[in-house]
Formats: sequence, structure tokens, C-alpha cells
Amino acid sequence: ETGVTQSPTHLIKTRGQQVTLRCSSQSGHNTVSWYQQALGQGPQFIFQYYREEENGRGNFPPRFSGLQFPNYSSELNVNALELDDSALYLCASSLGLAPQETQYFGPGTRLLVL
Amino acid sequence: SQKIEQNSEALNIQEGKTATLTCNYTNYSPAYLQWYRQDPGRGPVFLLLIRENEKEKRKERLKVTFDTTLKQSLFHITASQPADSATYLCALFTGGGNKLTFGTGTQLKVEL
Repeated sequence: ETGVTQSPTHLIKTRGQQVTLRCSSQSGHNTVSWYQQALGQGPQFIFQYYREEENGRGNFPPRFSGLQFPNYSSELNVNALELDDSALYLCASSLGLAPQETQYFGPGTRLLVL
Repeated sequence: SQKIEQNSEALNIQEGKTATLTCNYTNYSPAYLQWYRQDPGRGPVFLLLIRENEKEKRKERLKVTFDTTLKQSLFHITASQPADSATYLCALFTGGGNKLTFGTGTQLKVEL
């Protein structure tokens, strides 16, 4: 186990709804990254937070937004859900931004949009 | 366009043999490359990081090579075991911070 937890584990929503996913980073880690993994694909980078500030964003529309709290836990919010948003959402925490810092992934939240 | 390609077909090998997985990339010049293992329904687990100035890196039964001229990394598991069965992902650092871009992964199945 990596010490990174995510909630909920599974979620079913309908098109047009909004969802909030949560991530608790490993103790002492100040950097959280969010990834979307569709079935049979590798994870795709959504955005990253470092010390409560967004530090880079992937090719995702503005209806994907996030937040990092003073304790470095993080939220991913998705508005106006679409069927294609169905995926495994992963968060990863690390101790800083350097590439040498190992990223520890949580177990993910499986989102199904009907 | 930028691409990271891994064998999309599953790799089936016999226990005890060496598994070799390939990661090819185009239009990137990564300074670092990583390999991860992912089991069904779980998050990826970091295995190895290799730098552009390192030709080879080893960790127990794992070996990674990184050829920046060929734009290719090879991932080897020696003396493979059924417990090694999983999907293996390669990932490059492609932007500021430690943002990762992943390949699609190769599923490895080690049979008795």
C-alpha cells in the first residue's frame, strides 16, 4: 500500500451531473497529480497541484477543476458529466516536483456516467 | 505528433523465461523514463527510473535499458513468475514539474 487514499472507490452518475473526487496524499507529500485512465489505455495527465497552486494542466476542458488544501489533500471536480468521462481517476502524490521524486498512486475512483 | 507506443498485444511467456517489453517514443526528448506495474483495478506502482545518460538500470530481477538514439526503452524481467503477471506501463517526463505521459501498457501473462 502506498499511503495514498482516494474516495469514493466507485461512483455512478448520469450525464450532466457534477462529481467531486477526493485524494489524501502520502504523509509529507506536497504535490498531487490527477490522471484519467480509460479502459485499456494508459493514464492521462489532468493537472497537478504543488503547495496549493496549480502547476500544469493537461488537455482537459475547464469543466475539470481541482483544489489542494493546506494539508495537501486534493479534490477533482468534474461538471456537466459526459459519457466519455467514464474512467478510472487516479491521484498520485510526491515529495516535490523533481522527476527523481517517486510518484505514489492511489487505488483510484471508478466513475461510470450513464 | 508525440507518441509513446507499447505492444498492445498481450505477451504470454512460460515461468522461468525472460520477459522483454518494448517502449518506443517519437517527438519527445525525455531526460527521464519510468516503468510502472499496474494490477487490475489498482493504481500503477513505480518500478524503475532511468536517466538519459544511463544506458541500463537494474533492480533485483528487473532490467531497463534506455536508448535515446533509437528512442526506445526495453524492460526485462528475468526468471519470470506467475506473480509477475500484470500490465506494465512506460512513462516519460514531458513537461514542467513531474508530469508524466504514459504509454498504453503491455499486459504480461506468465504461465506455469
